[in-house]
Order: sequence, then structure tokens, then C-alpha cells
Amino acid sequence: SAVISQKPSRDICQRGTSLTIQCQVDSQVTMMFWYRQQPGQSLTLIATANQGSEATYESGFVIDKFPISRPNLTFSTLTVSNMSPEDSSIYLCSVRDRGRRSNIMNTEAFFGQGTRLTVV
Amino acid sequence: AQRVTQPEKLLSVFKGAPVELKCNYSYSGSPELFWYVQYSRQRLQLLLRHISRESIKGFTADLNKGETSFHLKKPFAQEEDSAMYYCALRTSYDKVIFGPGTSLSVIP
Repeated sequence: SAVISQKPSRDICQRGTSLTIQCQVDSQVTMMFWYRQQPGQSLTLIATANQGSEATYESGFVIDKFPISRPNLTFSTLTVSNMSPEDSSIYLCSVRDRGRRSNIMNTEAFFGQGTRLTVV
Repeated sequence: AQRVTQPEKLLSVFKGAPVELKCNYSYSGSPELFWYVQYSRQRLQLLLRHISRESIKGFTADLNKGETSFHLKKPFAQEEDSAMYYCALRTSYDKVIFGPGTSLSVIP
């Protein structure tokens, strides 16, 4: 099962600045996912990051605002650009991998601990 | 449209009482459904999935395609079950869509 590390775990940023969040996985994975969890809300998928190609963004999210890098099969970054207070959220990295209870045909989603971003 | 709904934002039960957390979904394909749990100060983790038909920590969930539901049940709630529970749907593109979540509070 995959172990995911996210950095930073939290940050307080000034509006208008940008923050890059790093996601490191202890195994090679094809697809990595970035989610946002706004206060009191559920998880919303921002984009899917594939190695060697551009990220695929969900409706309502654009590359200029949330540029993503995926330089290899174990690492990805998400940048929150030109931040405003509305961007205050928890940002989570996720991968799919075989879990302890899964056989080779089944995978489950694993999550990082999240990055709690506050924009002031 | 692909959607997951959980009608209860907050559910409180007494210890030893039965628990049912409701989940309904909307998906045109063959659904793959999960329950994820987030305990206080821990990361989100998989609780169970419908295709495994397993019981984890006393919880079970049955997929009802007729009612498009995947309710989570436990006959006797424990204090350690207090957590945030998310119902989730995996789509054909390997994306996982989450419901809004239900906060379960088990009263001692």
C-alpha cells in the first residue's frame, strides 16, 4: 500500500502570492489526484496528474490557477496561484494502489495528510 | 451525471445503538462504491468497498442498484466509531467522487 507525504502540512499566505504543495509517494504510481476540501465541505477533485502528459482538470478548475507538475512516477506538485481568501482549504494528494486487503485486481485510494492553507 | 449524496450532515447515536449512514448515488455505468472514514487528526482511509462484501470494524454496506443506495450499517455503535464518513463512487476514468460526508458522534 502506498504511503504519501505532503509538504507543507499547513501554511498561512498573503493574498496575491502563490504556494506550491509537494506530494511524494513511496512507490511508483501511474495516476495521482489532487483534491480540495473547503471548510465544512467534502472533497472536490481538482485534477488528475499523469506522468509525461499534461494534467487533466475538472470543471471549474484551470491550469493557470492550479498548475501541476508530474516529473516522475513518485512525485507531483500543485501550485495555488494568485491566492485569495476563497482559496483557503485543505489540499490533498491521492493515489490508487493495491491495499493490504486488495488482490491484484482491486485498488484503493490512498491520501496524504493534507495541506491546510489559510490565505489572509 | 455522476453524483453521491449523503442526506445527513450530522448523526448522533448512543453507544450500543444501531447505526445507519445513508448514501445514494447517480451513475450511468456499473458503479464501484466505497466508504471512507476520517478519524480525528488522522488522514482519510478506506473503510470498505462494495465489491469485497466485507465487514470491517463491524460495519457492512450493501449495494442496492434498484434504489441506487449504499448505506453503511453497524448493529452496535462504539465510541471509537465517532468520525467523519464519506461515501464515494469510482468512475470509469479512475476518478473517485465523494459525497458531502456524515459526521457520526457516538454518545457514551
